[in-house]
Amino acid sequence: TQLLEQSPQFLSIQEGENLTVYCNSSSVFSSLQWYRQEPGEGPVLLVTVVTGGEVKKLKRLTFQFGDARKDSSLHITAAQPGDTGLYLCAGAPNNDMRFGAGTRLTVKP
Amino acid sequence: DAGVIQSPRHEVTEMGQEVTLRCKPISGHDYLFWYRQTMMRGLELLIYFNNNVPIDDSGMPEDRFSAKMPNASFSTLKIQPSEPRDSAVYFCASSPTGWTEAFFGQGTRLTVV
Repeated sequence: TQLLEQSPQFLSIQEGENLTVYCNSSSVFSSLQWYRQEPGEGPVLLVTVVTGGEVKKLKRLTFQFGDARKDSSLHITAAQPGDTGLYLCAGAPNNDMRFGAGTRLTVKP
Repeated sequence: DAGVIQSPRHEVTEMGQEVTLRCKPISGHDYLFWYRQTMMRGLELLIYFNNNVPIDDSGMPEDRFSAKMPNASFSTLKIQPSEPRDSAVYFCASSPTGWTEAFFGQGTRLTVV
């Protein structure tokens, strides 16, 4: 069982559509992070959410941390082909950064 | 800083051979992580170090895997003997703390035939 469960596993949409991906856990985290990974590269940090209920925006990306600090979501508005990639959530229950399996997003032109 | 540097980028080896993966973390980062990524299992934490000391190696799959960090600027992950099921992309990452941003290298794609 994964510490962090991400859904959906795969998502293929048309350019211009909106989407939401989820990261859930039964554990409480002091913070959660979202990374994006492109083919042939390592994951790169997008955002860290720290406070329960917190909402952070990064251009067309909106990140929310659940009130109980057990889950998080990533919403993309008007997706573009450049958003294609693997989106990973991560948390460090014991100073050990652990990752979910990721959502593989494909945005078709 | 050049970021986390891993070598080699690609490694193809025969089953039974020893494989050594190398990592140079970002200077000043106290934490170093080794991950393995596959389609089936995602990004798995194998082992991590704090100030060059191994803290948790519970993710190391078998005794065939070992990792060392002889100093703050160098770490190795060794597989001996290698098996086809070890084929994966291996990432090294470093972080100032264990819970803030992890900076990743470009990974080593290992193929064991």
